[in-house]
Amino acid sequence: DGGITQSPKYLFRKEGQNVTLSCEQNLNHDAMYWYRQDPGQGLRLIYYSQIVNDFQKGDIAEGYSVSREKKESFPLTVTSAQKNPTAFYLCASSIYGLAGLGDTGELFFGEGSRLTVL
Amino acid sequence: AQSVSQHNHHVILSEAASLELGCNYSYGGTVNLFWYVQYPGQHLQLLLKYFSGDPLVKGIKGFEAEFIKSKFSFNLRKPSVQWSDTAEYFCAVRDLPNDYKLSFGAGTTVTVRA
Repeated sequence: DGGITQSPKYLFRKEGQNVTLSCEQNLNHDAMYWYRQDPGQGLRLIYYSQIVNDFQKGDIAEGYSVSREKKESFPLTVTSAQKNPTAFYLCASSIYGLAGLGDTGELFFGEGSRLTVL
Repeated sequence: AQSVSQHNHHVILSEAASLELGCNYSYGGTVNLFWYVQYPGQHLQLLLKYFSGDPLVKGIKGFEAEFIKSKFSFNLRKPSVQWSDTAEYFCAVRDLPNDYKLSFGAGTTVTVRA
């Protein structure tokens, strides 16, 4: 089945620890995204990547880091610098990172990872 | 930066009632508009989208949305809801041509009572 796989589904972390959330896609999509979902705030963009070895900060990148060494993988590290890390994290992908010929604009989402900091 | 407002946080309806969810955005240039839905226990999925052309767009499961450029709005409607429409609905906007990122609204939780 083609899709996006996020792991782990649930994660607990002590304050001061870094944690890495995995996101893998087998859709052959160029672009990948990380969003954070909090109740009443919708989805806020953390980082995005249009292409391998390139990524940009989103609206709330502070305290997070990413890498894009392979097309299919876009892991997110929540560092100890993130002041309020407890949240639901969503990974998504789209065919192209730029609106242009062939772009459908549709994002495909994973099932999410819920991080709780104790 | 684009901001997206969804006016209702929680809507409760009975089956067969009509549904309308409001969505307004702030940027006045060329935009692409989307509605996503998250059913309980499922991942977010696209309900419908508007790129250009007819401002009334139809999506899956009997939903439609109307783009009114002068009002910066993209309201979602369904004439007769079913219990299975219980979900969280997100409006999203993409600015063109310089910024292709999607900005999401806060979401509206819709509860349909049988």
